[in-house]
Amino acid sequence: AQRVTQPEKLLSVFKGAPVELKCNYSYSGSPELFWYVQYSRQRLQLLLRHISRESIKGFTADLNKGETSFHLKKPFAQEEDSAMYYCALSMGGATNKLIFGTGTLLAVQP
Amino acid sequence: NAGVTQTPKFQVLKTGQSMTLQCAQDMNHEYMSWYRQDPGMGLRLIHYSVGAGITDQGEVPNGYNVSRSTTEDFPLRLLSAAPSQTSVYFCASSQQVGISEAFFGQGTRLTVV
Repeated sequence: AQRVTQPEKLLSVFKGAPVELKCNYSYSGSPELFWYVQYSRQRLQLLLRHISRESIKGFTADLNKGETSFHLKKPFAQEEDSAMYYCALSMGGATNKLIFGTGTLLAVQP
Repeated sequence: NAGVTQTPKFQVLKTGQSMTLQCAQDMNHEYMSWYRQDPGMGLRLIHYSVGAGITDQGEVPNGYNVSRSTTEDFPLRLLSAAPSQTSVYFCASSQQVGISEAFFGQGTRLTVV
């Protein structure tokens, strides 16, 4: 069965420290993975997708098929990065269904 | 751009009442979906639609009905509300084909007492 696992409910770091939000997936097909972010009182929005191989707001994520992981990283955390982060797996094809992880709350302390 | 619009933003229901959560998008997206967000459980897919006239069940469909008579609208109906349906509900839309971004509404916070 398709599954996305985010093992940490809460990650607390100090400003300027490196951040790594973990995401592991289980999927028999070719995965399409995303990170979505929800800032306080805002709607859920796309942060980045693996196929783009881009860096958004200093965040990067590399798909590791061997370890079935898609960890989100940032070298120096900022207070404005505090938010809820969701890793998501797209089923793709005709349905384009998204399977979400349980989310990790990132708290960046001053 | 309005994007995805959900109404209402907040709702309190009594057990057994019925109601409809509205969702509309103005991006001409074929794919629309409903999720519920619960603490510690992330977002779980309730129902989805790949186009007008076509709907299907997600992970947690029980107690909910949907219809898709137009491309723009995808209402979610609670037939007989139960306290277990207390949650935050999100509607999302995206292009059907390919690897596309999902656009979310602002959510509806529903409490069933």
